Amino acid sequence: DAGVIQSPRHEVTEMGQEVTLRCKPISGHNSLFWYRQTMMRGLELLIYFNNNVPIDDSGMPEDRFSAKMPNASFSTLKIQPSEPRDSAVYFCASTQEGPAYNSPLHFGNGTRLTVT
Amino acid sequence: KNQVEQSPQSLIILEGKNCTLQCNYTVSPFSNLRWYKQDTGRGPVSLTIMTFSENTKSNGRYTATLDADTKQSSLHITASQLSDSASYICVVSGTMTTDSWGKLQFGAGTQVVVTP
Repeated sequence: DAGVIQSPRHEVTEMGQEVTLRCKPISGHNSLFWYRQTMMRGLELLIYFNNNVPIDDSGMPEDRFSAKMPNASFSTLKIQPSEPRDSAVYFCASTQEGPAYNSPLHFGNGTRLTVT
Repeated sequence: KNQVEQSPQSLIILEGKNCTLQCNYTVSPFSNLRWYKQDTGRGPVSLTIMTFSENTKSNGRYTATLDADTKQSSLHITASQLSDSASYICVVSGTMTTDSWGKLQFGAGTQVVVTP
């Protein structure tokens, strides 16, 4: 199994530009998460999908952030317009069941976003 | 206030020595506790998952313990190797109820550096 695949690995963009991050979860996993990691705040949940349906988006910072999961094998996180404070590493993770169960969370290797 | 507190924030150990990392949590009701290892530039990787009925679980040279009564967990690394240099993150999930989907609560991590 190739694991959770994220693209791009690195993204450098100018303030005001649109950024789209992509994620392919592990086949058969029904839960998908987007996290953001910074030195100051650690790992923060942005949004959680179960069976392609958004369950909890309370962590999405503001209307500039949006996430979609059109099918079980693909999800996107979009930032429009981007700002320097959005600079962070964004992780996608998937699991076979919800987190209250005991299946491990599998993380991708992240997208390092730099907004100048 | 963070519901998962880890200590120490960082530690340096000599190759071949043992070390123990601590995790205290207040998440309640509790479903499971996980330890993850995160290498620099990579996504976190699951080491162990324990439910309230388990008090110890091993994965190679990593041994996690759990005391659900005192809400404390530890991760013990035996005979450390240079490849153990990483951040170790404690993650706790609540149970799934009508009001909660068992959201994962992340600690800030302990940065371990193993020196030759």
